Amino acid sequence: AAGVIQSPRHLIKEKRETATLKCYPIPRHDTVYWYQQGPGQDPQFLISFYEKMQSDKGSIPDRFSAQQFSDYHSELNMSSLELGDSALYFCASSLQGADTQYFGPGTRLTVL
Amino acid sequence: QQQVKQSPQSLIVQKGGISIINCAYENTAFDYFPWYQQFPGKGPALLIAIRPDVSEKKEGRFTISFNKSAKQFSLHIMDSQPGDSATYFCAAPRDTGRRALTFGSGTRLQVQP
Repeated sequence: AAGVIQSPRHLIKEKRETATLKCYPIPRHDTVYWYQQGPGQDPQFLISFYEKMQSDKGSIPDRFSAQQFSDYHSELNMSSLELGDSALYFCASSLQGADTQYFGPGTRLTVL
Repeated sequence: QQQVKQSPQSLIVQKGGISIINCAYENTAFDYFPWYQQFPGKGPALLIAIRPDVSEKKEGRFTISFNKSAKQFSLHIMDSQPGDSATYFCAAPRDTGRRALTFGSGTRLQVQP
């Protein structure tokens, strides 16, 4: 079965640079969630989208923004990167109203 | 502040033994409680989930026990295998009516051969 696709899988950036992470949900899934997981930490919810509209907002820094496109894929844009942004970033998808979220393999972001 | 409190932080079990991980929650309006399994460098994978209207759910070697009055739920892994060695997270909706998840702090399970 098709799963959530994230790209790139690994990304290395310098401080103050920008990064764009992409997420392609499971076909027909219309809701996308973004989570950040620091080393040895649990995933923390950042933001979610349904039908191209932001549906919920968690602990996403103002330096980050995200959007969902008409084909339901989503992009997380990160600017003015800081060392503390180094983490695994997961995208999860679901059908609207459904509880089950399916996580992608993640993007490992390293900020030097 | 962790809305879902998970214990223990780490667990070592012998092959064939039972692994038990516990979680406690605060919000009585929570209506969905999943458990995720995560291997190093991989995304969390849904293992099993339960709703408050049942007290137990079993899928293969994995069982969730749910105690609504105590606001606790636990994961039992029967006949634990070395391949079960991973980090396990309990989770719940981050707020009433929200579908985004808040996770427990995780339990690192090691099953020794």
